[in-house]
Amino acid sequence: NAGVMQNPRHLVRRRGQEARLRCSPMKGHSHVYWYRQLPEEGLKFMVYLQKENIIDESGMPKERFSAEFPKEGPSILRIQQVVRGDSAAYFCASSPPGGEPTDTQYFGPGTRLTVL
Amino acid sequence: SQKIEQNSEALNIQEGKTATLTCNYTNYSPAYLQWYRQDPGRGPVFLLLIRENEKEKRKERLKVTFDTTLKQSLFHITASQPADSATYLCALVRTGGFKTIFGAGTRLFVKA
Repeated sequence: NAGVMQNPRHLVRRRGQEARLRCSPMKGHSHVYWYRQLPEEGLKFMVYLQKENIIDESGMPKERFSAEFPKEGPSILRIQQVVRGDSAAYFCASSPPGGEPTDTQYFGPGTRLTVL
Repeated sequence: SQKIEQNSEALNIQEGKTATLTCNYTNYSPAYLQWYRQDPGRGPVFLLLIRENEKEKRKERLKVTFDTTLKQSLFHITASQPADSATYLCALVRTGGFKTIFGAGTRLFVKA
């Protein structure tokens, strides 16, 4: 059973461009979370999604950021018109259905976004 | 405001000794607390979960305690090994919530 997969692992964008980060949860997992991590800082919750639904997006900036988890395909975190401050590691995690949704989260390897 | 604090200074210990890491929180009523390990350039890996009605949890060489009165969790690694060197993250989930709140982590170095 493959783990959580994220791609690309490294992404370089110029200011003003769009960044699309993909996350494929573990097989059978229906909960997906996105986090951002700056150097020497902890992970900051961004959004929690279930299939086709955004459950909690309280950690997501109001502008330029959006997330989706369609019925088919990976979850996408989209950052429009990137700025240098968006440079960070973005981690996706998934957890299985049933039980508490945040009981055990399985993290992907992350996407390191660099904005030039 | 809500806060989770982990010792920002790195912890250096000798192989074979017990490493103890601290997690303190304020203004939370956590349903449960988790500990994760993170290696450089990688995603966190789940280690242990302890619920608010539990005092202690063990898994192999790992032990976690949870004191809701002191608002503190201690994470112990006994018989530490150089391979235990990593950053350890504490995380809280509030009662009735979905959001996981992470501390900044404590870096552990185990010397041979």
